[in-house]
Amino acid sequence: AQKITQTQPGMFVQEKEAVTLDCTYDTSDPSYGLFWYKQPSSGEMIFLIYQGSYDQQNATEGRYSLNFQKARKSANLVISASQLGDSAMYFCAMREGPTGGFKTIFGAGTRLFVKA
Amino acid sequence: NAGVTQTPKFQVLKTGQSMTLQCAQDMNHEYMSWYRQDPGMGLRLIHYSVGAGITDQGEVPNGYNVSRSTTEDFPLRLLSAAPSQTSVYFCASSFRDREMAEAFFGQGTRLTVV
Repeated sequence: AQKITQTQPGMFVQEKEAVTLDCTYDTSDPSYGLFWYKQPSSGEMIFLIYQGSYDQQNATEGRYSLNFQKARKSANLVISASQLGDSAMYFCAMREGPTGGFKTIFGAGTRLFVKA
Repeated sequence: NAGVTQTPKFQVLKTGQSMTLQCAQDMNHEYMSWYRQDPGMGLRLIHYSVGAGITDQGEVPNGYNVSRSTTEDFPLRLLSAAPSQTSVYFCASSFRDREMAEAFFGQGTRLTVV
């Protein structure tokens, strides 16, 4: 069954330091995509980064990188050089391919606090 | 280009009342979905659709109905509101057949059932 797990309800990081947010997943679909979204206190959902199940290299988008370990079924988000504006909720999501009906589910989220 | 438009933004219902949350997108996305967000539980999938005329249940479908008569619109109906349905509801859309199909979200509807 499709499942996404984020085990860190809250994380603290010092400004300018790097932080890793954990995400593990489970699916029987060989084709899937993994996403990270940011939700600031204003409530909107902001897409950050994507990793496809067949991608050989880890995805990067500016200060965001996705540490994809397929055998371990993990897709951790790494934020480098944290900024105060990074304080938000972060959600990991998985989208299955045609076999799974393109269904997208989300983890419970991690609230990140960046300290000055 | 309006993206994903959800209405209303806020709603208070009495137990037993019914209502429809509206969702429309203008990006020609095949895939549309509804989520509810409760504290500590992230976004949970209620119903989704991979195209006009096709809908399917998500993780928490009970108490909700959907239909998809057009590509643009995907309304969510609460049949008989209960306090347990107090939540923030998000509609999202994306391309279906593209590999990197990130979801575009509406602004959310904050629903309170008293």
